[in-house]
Amino acid sequence: DAGITQSPRHKVTETGTPVTLRCHQTENHRYMYWYRQDPGHGLRLIHYSYGVKDTDKGEVSDGYSVSRSKTEDFLLTLESATSSQTSVYFCAISGKDRLSGNTIYFGEGSWLTVV
Amino acid sequence: GQQLNQSPQSMFIQEGEDVSMNCTSSSIFNTWLWYKQDPGEGPVLLIALYKAGELTSNGRLTAQFGITRKDSFLNISASIPSDVGIYFCAGPKAGAGTYKYIFGTGTRLKVLA
Repeated sequence: DAGITQSPRHKVTETGTPVTLRCHQTENHRYMYWYRQDPGHGLRLIHYSYGVKDTDKGEVSDGYSVSRSKTEDFLLTLESATSSQTSVYFCAISGKDRLSGNTIYFGEGSWLTVV
Repeated sequence: GQQLNQSPQSMFIQEGEDVSMNCTSSSIFNTWLWYKQDPGEGPVLLIALYKAGELTSNGRLTAQFGITRKDSFLNISASIPSDVGIYFCAGPKAGAGTYKYIFGTGTRLKVLA
């Protein structure tokens, strides 16, 4: 158990509505990430955070925003959901200590369907 | 984005057989990570390798960090039906402020009872 909780685990939403996915960690890791996983594309980085209020874009950040107001929480927001954002979203964490600092752990995923 | 080359892409094996898969890169990595992902679940870390030449076991799983630091291998001994899933490798590349992780293309394992 990597101490990562994602919510909601499953959601169906309509095109144009805002959606927020939450990631909560209990491991005090410095870095947090949001990935999406799609057939044929593997895991693609959306946004990441390297500390409270410190975030940066990944390779597929268009249409997504993030916020990190506390070490333990990292929120992913789809401002206006589109069908192309139907995917499974994984939160991940890394950087707890020097030895395992570059080891990444994943949450259980959030399945989002935009209709 | 950039991906690690992983082979084989898929394999069907009989229960009890040993399995080998590998991951290669054109770049050097200082860490190699191996994960298993079951349908409907997130990737679960199996083994982490931190040193060139390192050989690490986790039950029936053994992974090795290649001497060239450009490859890694995962072996599963005496496979059982619950070994079914997708296995993929990953390596972190240091960047500004954090690590960017490069992932393998995955090996889909199916075990025939």
